Amino acid sequence: AQRVTQPEKLLSVFKGAPVELKCNYSYSGSPELFWYVQYSRQRLQLLLRHISRESIKGFTADLNKGETSFHLKKPFAQEEDSAMYYCALSPDTGRRALTFGSGTRLQVQP
Amino acid sequence: DTGVSQDPRHKITKRGQNVTFRCDPISEHNRLYWYRQTLGQGPEFLTYFQNEAQLEKSRLLSDRFSAERPKGSFSTLEIQRTEQGDSAMYLCASSSIYTLTGKNTEAFFGQGTRLTVV
Repeated sequence: AQRVTQPEKLLSVFKGAPVELKCNYSYSGSPELFWYVQYSRQRLQLLLRHISRESIKGFTADLNKGETSFHLKKPFAQEEDSAMYYCALSPDTGRRALTFGSGTRLQVQP
Repeated sequence: DTGVSQDPRHKITKRGQNVTFRCDPISEHNRLYWYRQTLGQGPEFLTYFQNEAQLEKSRLLSDRFSAERPKGSFSTLEIQRTEQGDSAMYLCASSSIYTLTGKNTEAFFGQGTRLTVV
């Protein structure tokens, strides 16, 4: 069975500070990893997926298979980044439904 | 809005009553998922359909829960004899599958149905 762990419930930073949201996973195969974001009163939406290897809204995430981690990073936080962030894993076989972590709330203070 | 839509957005029901939720996926998506989210947790997988076939049900889905996707279009999730522990946000998501790679496209989520059992 797969598992996703986000150790921080809340991360509070000041505008302009670097951000790192941690995500660790356990899965025996080769999963696909995602970061989803939920802004206030909006639906859950995809922020980025590891196979795309792109930067979205200044965020990047690198899959580290050795450490089984997929941390989300941004060098300079903006107030509009305040939201709930969920790391998710999709297995490489079968239903491909997402297994989510419990989420980290990012608060960017002015 | 051409995204995933869910109805109703909110439902308050008395314990023991039956409730039914509806999800309309993005029209060209052949995969449809139901998730449940409780306070302070991420969404948890309940069940999924590929076209009209229900291919997997989580052990979270007790006998009181049933889901259908007739004709591979919209889906319904019914909860019979609701209990207070059923109070949660019920999320629907849809995606498609790349026929060449077998990989999923991105999953698009609806805004959810918030169920409160009193």
